[in-house]
Amino acid sequence: DTGVSQDPRHKITKRGQNVTFRCDPISEHNRLYWYRQTLGQGPEFLTYFQNEAQLEKSRLLSDRFSAERPKGSFSTLEIQRTEQGDSAMYLCASSSWVGQGRNQPQHFGDGTRLSIL
Amino acid sequence: ILNVEQSPQSLHVQEGDSTNFTCSFPSSNFYALHWYRWETAKSPEALFVMTLNGDEKKKGRISATLNTKEGYSYLYIKGSQPEDSATYLCALNRGNTPLVFGKGTRLSVIA
Repeated sequence: DTGVSQDPRHKITKRGQNVTFRCDPISEHNRLYWYRQTLGQGPEFLTYFQNEAQLEKSRLLSDRFSAERPKGSFSTLEIQRTEQGDSAMYLCASSSWVGQGRNQPQHFGDGTRLSIL
Repeated sequence: ILNVEQSPQSLHVQEGDSTNFTCSFPSSNFYALHWYRWETAKSPEALFVMTLNGDEKKKGRISATLNTKEGYSYLYIKGSQPEDSATYLCALNRGNTPLVFGKGTRLSVIA
């Protein structure tokens, strides 16, 4: 079990630039989640995938954000035309979802800390 | 808006003290309550997933209880150690919906 890995760990960029983050989940996990965490807050849900299908997006997610999981394995999160308010820790998590009535913990990566200048 | 509340926001205890914190949540449509520990510069680590009213789970010196009828869960740490210093997050699952996290309780254990 190599755990969930995220790349990069830190990203500093100028306002208006596009950024892309990558998440590699635990290989046997079929669900993958993206969260955003800002100072003093808990992780806030952004979107999640079951295999390659994106099942839900937060209503708070602007159209500048897009996520993909093309082959049901790794996922990317892209933010276009970044704004200062996008500065946050972006966390990825994965879990195994097996039918109804099963509830497994989510396994998190170390996150990508984004700073917008 | 679904609110998951945690208290206290932060806590300082001496090494060896026992401590506890609270997670409150709406009791309707309950499915599961998750607890995570998040140490600085590390990833959040799952502690417990609790599903049944009256559940009590234990992992070493850490234990948790669950009351789904009144909508709260307690996390207890017995004999706190400096390595227990972390933010403790609870998160509510209402079935096939995303987890909703509280803001966490930041615990500092002073040696």
